[in-house]
Amino acid sequence: EPEVTQTPSHQVTQMGQEVILRCVPISNHLYFYWYRQILGQKVEFLVSFYNNEISEKSEIFDDQFSVERPDGSNFTLKIRSTKLEDSAMYFCASSDRGNEQYFGPGTRLTVT
Amino acid sequence: KQEVTQIPAALSVPEGENLVLNCSFTDSAIYNLQWFRQDPGKGLTSLLLIQSSQREQTSGRLNASLDKSSGRSTLYIAASQPGDSATYLCAVGTTGSEKLVFGKGMKLTVNP
Repeated sequence: EPEVTQTPSHQVTQMGQEVILRCVPISNHLYFYWYRQILGQKVEFLVSFYNNEISEKSEIFDDQFSVERPDGSNFTLKIRSTKLEDSAMYFCASSDRGNEQYFGPGTRLTVT
Repeated sequence: KQEVTQIPAALSVPEGENLVLNCSFTDSAIYNLQWFRQDPGKGLTSLLLIQSSQREQTSGRLNASLDKSSGRSTLYIAASQPGDSATYLCAVGTTGSEKLVFGKGMKLTVNP
């Protein structure tokens, strides 16, 4: 069964460093999303991406965040200058025609 | 602004019980609702998707219902098993937005 994959599974970085989280969505899906879950809190929407551009973003998704689909298979989330409060589990999701969303296993980001 | 609530936050039951998990949302202008399962430290597994035009969906021992007018959904788990132990998340897709808004989840423990 097709699935969303994410790498790395765990990333440790120092405050102020840039990180890139990678995702491979399900191959025939056209809508891509990033969410995050801070430990013990709700899953929060960050951004959605369709037709090679951001279609919606949350207040959390400020100038330090960016997304890119560099080729036909990968979807990346870049955090330019990480802060301690960026420590969270980051989930990538994809959907076909903006309907049921399928989530990847997540990348645990730890900022020290 | 859509708010999703799941009460109670945790439930512990003996094996074999039939369970009802509750989800409520504040804005009835939804286009779908998804129930997810999350195991500790893992990603989100989609269990059921209910479109706004549907009243219920079934998959195996799981049955989800939707009452848009009252802002409620329930997930019914028949004949619970220890393997059902996980956190169950309700997420709502609101009309005019691409994001899913999540509840905080309900941690279920099924004791042998």
